[in-house]
Amino acid sequence: EAQVTQNPRYLITVTGKKLTVTCSQNMNHEYMSWYRQDPGLGLRQIYYSMNVEVTDKGDVPEGYKVSRKEKRNFPLILESPSPNQTSLYFCASSSRDTYNSPLHFGNGTRLTVT
Amino acid sequence: GIQVEQSPPDLILQEGANSTLRCNFSDSVNNLQWFHQNPWGQLINLFYIPSGTKQNGRLSATTVATERYSLLYISSSQTTDSGVYFCAVERRGNSGGYQKVTFGTGTKLQVIP
Repeated sequence: EAQVTQNPRYLITVTGKKLTVTCSQNMNHEYMSWYRQDPGLGLRQIYYSMNVEVTDKGDVPEGYKVSRKEKRNFPLILESPSPNQTSLYFCASSSRDTYNSPLHFGNGTRLTVT
Repeated sequence: GIQVEQSPPDLILQEGANSTLRCNFSDSVNNLQWFHQNPWGQLINLFYIPSGTKQNGRLSATTVATERYSLLYISSSQTTDSGVYFCAVERRGNSGGYQKVTFGTGTKLQVIP
């Protein structure tokens, strides 16, 4: 089954404790991206990757890191989480077909930083 | 950056009613998508529609790229249509140098029996 898998689904952590949220897709998609969703703000893009070893900042990259060492994986790293990073996070992937490349989303990771 | 506005922000419908959701964007875009976020938080792609009209069952969408808006039509609404509807626009660099996606803030739809 074609899917984007995020782990964990729920995570509670404390300020300053490094964490990684994993994202994996099995559709051989070139493009992967991370979003955070906050009430009243919709989804905002954190980072995206056009292909292996190619990443770039989205609209809200501060406090986050990413890496794309393999095509299928795109982990999101919070090196020193803070309470303002409490949010619902989504990973997504798509092909880079010019004419038809819908985004496929994972089921989300709800992060709470205390 | 590009601004994406959706209206209305909230909508309550009686089951069986029809509705139109609107998405306005402030600059030219390469693509536009509509998503439904169900009450469990899952984001489901409804339409990939950079221009023109598409239909899928009771749902249809129209994008008029030259006038910078898109419409999502829901006919004969059902309680399972409840949730939040987002539009998202995509901008790509001419040489493929970037591919940014911007979401609107959504329309929260509640369909009551």
